[in-house]
Amino acid sequence: GAVVSQHPSRVICKSGTSVKIECRSLDFQATTMFWYRQFPKQSLMLMATSNEGSKATYEQGVEKDKFLINHASLTLSTLTVTSAHPEDSSFYICSARVGTVDYGYTFGSGTRLTVV
Amino acid sequence: AQTVTQSQPEMSVQEAETVTLSCTYDTSENNYYLFWYKQPPSRQMILVIRQEAYKQQNATENRFSVNFQKAAKSFSLKISDSQLGDTAMYFCAFMGYNNNDMRFGAGTRLTVKP
Repeated sequence: GAVVSQHPSRVICKSGTSVKIECRSLDFQATTMFWYRQFPKQSLMLMATSNEGSKATYEQGVEKDKFLINHASLTLSTLTVTSAHPEDSSFYICSARVGTVDYGYTFGSGTRLTVV
Repeated sequence: AQTVTQSQPEMSVQEAETVTLSCTYDTSENNYYLFWYKQPPSRQMILVIRQEAYKQQNATENRFSVNFQKAAKSFSLKISDSQLGDTAMYFCAFMGYNNNDMRFGAGTRLTVKP
């Protein structure tokens, strides 16, 4: 089946640095990808919708200057956490639609970000 | 805005028995999609079952079935013959017909006991 590859799976960075997370659709084109954030033992919260060739759409309360999203090709979307702080530590998951919308989405395996 | 509510933070069931997870949602749309996703300890999100709101027949996938009550805006998941591998977080999700984004409930942690 369709696979969304997400890297890295784990990353530790120092406060003030930036971290880039990649999400690739394998064997299919994803014009739209979604980025979620999940705190421990909590649900997935939609952060932004990534559209190929255009600006991402951010959910209310999500800082677009802190969480930079780039969707430069039909198979790659990236999330860059800029000037990371410890409170940015979380689990980040991307997803993409495969085929028609009623089939839901395929999810990446997630990235655990720890900011020290 | 659509909201999804899962009122059972945790549940447990004995192996081989049946368990039902509850989910309600709020929407003003008439056409939409509902999903149940499983998130095991690996954190990988896995689609369990999906339901199209305009279909009255309840979806079934092997041991997993749903009870979709559109008027009541209820979408429960029944797991029959529970297996140890079913232990996971289960998330109910809503997606509008014309809206691409998916909204999740808070999740239910299911433990299958041997």
